[in-house]
Amino acid sequence: DQQVKQNSPSLSVQEGRISILNCDYTNSMFDYFLWYKKYPAEGPTFLISISSIKDKNEDGRFTVFLNKSAKHLSLHIVPSQPGDSAVYFCAASAKAGFQKLVFGTGTRLLVSP
Amino acid sequence: DTAVSQTPKYLVTQMGNDKSIKCEQNLGHDTMYWYKQDSKKFLKIMFSYNNKELIINETVPNRFSPKSPDKAHLNLHINSLELGDSAVYFCASSQVLAGGYEQYFGPGTRLTVT
Repeated sequence: DQQVKQNSPSLSVQEGRISILNCDYTNSMFDYFLWYKKYPAEGPTFLISISSIKDKNEDGRFTVFLNKSAKHLSLHIVPSQPGDSAVYFCAASAKAGFQKLVFGTGTRLLVSP
Repeated sequence: DTAVSQTPKYLVTQMGNDKSIKCEQNLGHDTMYWYKQDSKKFLKIMFSYNNKELIINETVPNRFSPKSPDKAHLNLHINSLELGDSAVYFCASSQVLAGGYEQYFGPGTRLTVT
């Protein structure tokens, strides 16, 4: 039972444009959401997070939006850069679940010059 | 300085063998985790230790035995390796006591069982 879903396995964007990565979840107990970026042969790197009490969190070029009623979050990257090309994982956590991360299956982002 | 380190990075072994993967974190975190990334690239938690105490054990075969000698180390020992154990194993850590959800991952250990 996939509690966190990333329905787009890949996304291609031109440099300078906006990249929008989407994530849906089913477990209403999740109260914290995170995005990780992963390059080949490396571990996931924490990018940005959002608590369920907020609907937006911004950090430089990265903004995460949370729509609790729709159980949907998205990551916006503006402007996209070639170095952003990687696999992006959405993850969710619940305090009641000892804060274990439940990951989506990832979206491969390719930013072309 | 590497925050979360794992050794070895690559491990090739035969079915039936016993192997260990080591993990160390120098972030001063109180909680450590093991995740498995399978062939479909799906990352799933296996274990979590908080201050050397097991708090999460996600229906992992008992051939897998984590050991935490201290807060900074969490090792994974695997007995009687099977073909299906081939995967990338990631160690992670976080500071749960301070309310932190962010987990910091090591570079991974690619285990290949032949």
